[in-house]
Amino acid sequence: SQQGEEDPQALSIQEGENATMNCSYKTSINNLQWYRQNSGRGLVHLILIRSNEREKHSGRLRVTLDTSKKSSSLLITASRAADTASYFCARRDSSYKLIFGSGTRLLVRP
Amino acid sequence: GAGVSQSPSNKVTEKGKDVELRCDPISGHTALYWYRQSLGQGLEFLIYFQGNSAPDKSGLPSDRFSAERTGGSVSTLTIQRTQQEDSAVYLCASSDARRTEAFFGQGTRLTVV
Repeated sequence: SQQGEEDPQALSIQEGENATMNCSYKTSINNLQWYRQNSGRGLVHLILIRSNEREKHSGRLRVTLDTSKKSSSLLITASRAADTASYFCARRDSSYKLIFGSGTRLLVRP
Repeated sequence: GAGVSQSPSNKVTEKGKDVELRCDPISGHTALYWYRQSLGQGLEFLIYFQGNSAPDKSGLPSDRFSAERTGGSVSTLTIQRTQQEDSAVYLCASSDARRTEAFFGQGTRLTVV
């Protein structure tokens, strides 16, 4: 499959809890990105981590990258109902093509 | 325009008809991508244009699908002899020469009846 693997496929948490989503891939990357999608339409870029970086923060988001394990994780701290969406990782490969994972559907219960 | 624009937003077509989907990328963006997303699924890569290089067509599912990008700007995705399994949301994205984040349009929801 051209897609990476993401887990879990679906996650339901209570508002205020942290949400962790994982992404694995098979080939080498130039960078790895996380996107959010509401209502099955356009995606919005959240954060990018380069292959020589291990961790990156942006507001309530924390992304880690382990190139030896070919995996990344996205942590959303202190979740809010408005964080309910689908989250996708996307890897940029050596040809700069952008390949997306299968996504995690996050539900944050008020 | 300020963002990536796709048209139409929704398209209902009869099986066997041809359809054209249009994407206007952000001005100055050299990279343009097309993806397909079936209900509740991930994004399936279709085709990638980068500047004047030959496009990467490795994701096109069959020879009924084709895409072109005129003048390095507007792109059209054409699906010939549509089938019911072509029903999906078709998403277009563009990015700049630094090839960092991609900006997405709102997609075209194609329904083949």
